[in-house]
Amino acid sequence: EVQLVESGGGLVQPGGSLRLSCSASGFTFSSFAIHWVRQAPGKGLEYVSGISSDGGSTYYADSVKGRFTISRDNSKNTLYLQMSSLRGEDTAVYYCVKGGEWLRSNKDPFDPWGQGTLVTVSS
Amino acid sequence: DIQMTQSPSSLSASVGDRVTITCRASQGIRNDLGWYQQKPGKAPKRLIYAASSLQSGVPSRFSGSGSGTEFTLTISSLQPEDFATYYCLQHSSYPRTFGQGTKVEIK
Repeated sequence: EVQLVESGGGLVQPGGSLRLSCSASGFTFSSFAIHWVRQAPGKGLEYVSGISSDGGSTYYADSVKGRFTISRDNSKNTLYLQMSSLRGEDTAVYYCVKGGEWLRSNKDPFDPWGQGTLVTVSS
Repeated sequence: DIQMTQSPSSLSASVGDRVTITCRASQGIRNDLGWYQQKPGKAPKRLIYAASSLQSGVPSRFSGSGSGTEFTLTISSLQPEDFATYYCLQHSSYPRTFGQGTKVEIK
């Protein structure tokens, strides 16, 4: 069974940093792109970032570009999201989502999703 | 960016009702669209992929249709466990974009 488990969320002050992790199992992690999606409390879904299977290609939403860095360690089956210069509007549940074989392909299953980890940015 | 306009934003329906939710894309996306169901406190779950293909394990009362710019999710006979929020997602180009969501409530 494909599983994605996020961790690392918590309370952080504005301007602070936090690193999220997503541990994967049940599939060949190194063969698939992975995405981060977030959901602010009571709001809809927002695409954040994606990374190719080998880590060589990335994509960032404008709202996080220059502040967030996505990376992966295929030897550990783990995805990361390094978040810095955090703002109140970054408060959200962050989900990791399995993508397709190619980051830039339109053939993207975008499934399954992890259970999410909550990031709260507040003083 | 491709905008996904989803309607309605909410609806009230009774068990057994037929429910239709629509997503319109601001430009053509072929059939690069999925439909997701989200219950409170849970992660979204994919129901439909490639606009009209039913995800394995999803009840056949769910169906999707459309191509290009107009897409529809239909629940043929609403069941108690279907009360949730539904989202469309386009994966034709970056950034991936979601519809605003449709909350299906009990009448």
